[in-house]
Amino acid sequence: GAGVSQSPRYKVAKRGQDVALRCDPISGHVSLFWYQQALGQGPEFLTYFQNEAQLDKSGLPSDRFFAERPEGSVSTLKIQRTQQEDSAVYLCASSLDGPRMYFGPGTRLTVT
Amino acid sequence: AQKVTQAQTEISVVEKEDVTLDCVYETRDTTYYLFWYKQPPSGELVFLIRRNSFDEQNEISGRYSWNFQKSTSSFNFTITASQVVDSAVYFCALSEAVIGTNAGKSTFGDGTTLTVKP
Repeated sequence: GAGVSQSPRYKVAKRGQDVALRCDPISGHVSLFWYQQALGQGPEFLTYFQNEAQLDKSGLPSDRFFAERPEGSVSTLKIQRTQQEDSAVYLCASSLDGPRMYFGPGTRLTVT
Repeated sequence: AQKVTQAQTEISVVEKEDVTLDCVYETRDTTYYLFWYKQPPSGELVFLIRRNSFDEQNEISGRYSWNFQKSTSSFNFTITASQVVDSAVYFCALSEAVIGTNAGKSTFGDGTTLTVKP
């Protein structure tokens, strides 16, 4: 079956622009996670959904970051007024049961 | 707060050598999960293994083996007879076990870059 997909795979934004990153989890997976991976570092937790409920958003770095999953399937991570420090790979992962996550290929965001 | 430390930033070995990647973790939770992931140059994280905190039995899967020692808070990963295709970044991760839900967020180490030379 299809894995986790993310789009776009690459995004270049000028500083100050808004961006929207999409994640399509594996069908039927209840849990969905967003992680941010800076160059040379491990992924860092941003936020977590169970179905449409956002249960944990403690990792969102500022109020410029917003995530939603309105129908409990596709999720969108939005970054407003992008800054250079937002440049990173944004990883989405989904989980059916238990903590094992299936990761997507990521979206590489470059803010110029 | 949870923390995962992978002290080895880079390791280089020659094909067929054995190599061990170290992982040390910190947590106040009594129930948690430990993971290893592989991240090849393509960038997608590939799940290798999950371990529950109450199960200290070591595991072997082909050329891969894992040594979990709760007493030293370590979860080390050994590749036997390494191959060029093993070249990747390897991440150790710690996940909380959240009561009432089926998943919890993970804390990752900064990874170990393994290069296997022919």
